[in-house]
Amino acid sequence: DIVMTQSPSSLAVSAGETVTINCKSSQSLLYSGNQKNYLAWYQQKPGQSPKLLIYWASTRQSGVPDRFIGSGSGTDFTLTISSVQAEDLAIYYCQQYYDTPYTFGAGTKLELK
Amino acid sequence: EVQLVESGGGLVQPGRSLKLSCAASGFTFSDYYMAWVRQAPTKGLEWVASISYDGGSTYYRDSVKGRFTISRDNAKSSLYLQMDSLRSEDTATYYCTTDRWAWTWGQGVMVTVSS
Repeated sequence: DIVMTQSPSSLAVSAGETVTINCKSSQSLLYSGNQKNYLAWYQQKPGQSPKLLIYWASTRQSGVPDRFIGSGSGTDFTLTISSVQAEDLAIYYCQQYYDTPYTFGAGTKLELK
Repeated sequence: EVQLVESGGGLVQPGRSLKLSCAASGFTFSDYYMAWVRQAPTKGLEWVASISYDGGSTYYRDSVKGRFTISRDNAKSSLYLQMDSLRSEDTATYYCTTDRWAWTWGQGVMVTVSS
């Protein structure tokens, strides 16, 4: 199975700050056939279902604010949230869909400082 | 409006069975692989199973292989998860989603396996 390691596990921020969440996979998620990275990012607020933010490592889902930016390739990926707002407080998960079993990172909890 | 609505959850004793359903609307259901993802209380997300467009191919995580069966009815735009020989570790909220990058999720249905 592909292991997804997220860091940090939690992050305390002030509104307006820029935050970076890291995700590392145990094997490359870059498929040579199409040069795409099979990596997605989700946001889950308390009591809600997860919401897709980013897929193909850097493609923003429709309706997602442009302050959410996905980057990286191969085994190392980053979700950057610029100018964090109170509504961004949530748990963020990365997920590989390169191969089954699809696997998720353990999550990064974004909290208010 | 795109919508996935799960049903069929509840409290069940270990070793018993339960069947979850998911009704899809607002998109062409048959155009998408579909999946079930679960989340144990206070835990992270865990992919459970996926199914191809026509149901001809299915995929499972090892811990549910031989116990769970994913299926679909494209005429009814519905996804199912038959869960047999349930264990306490299957206790979770089960979400119906689109496969690979899950661009839409249901509200989830709680399954509690306990005596």
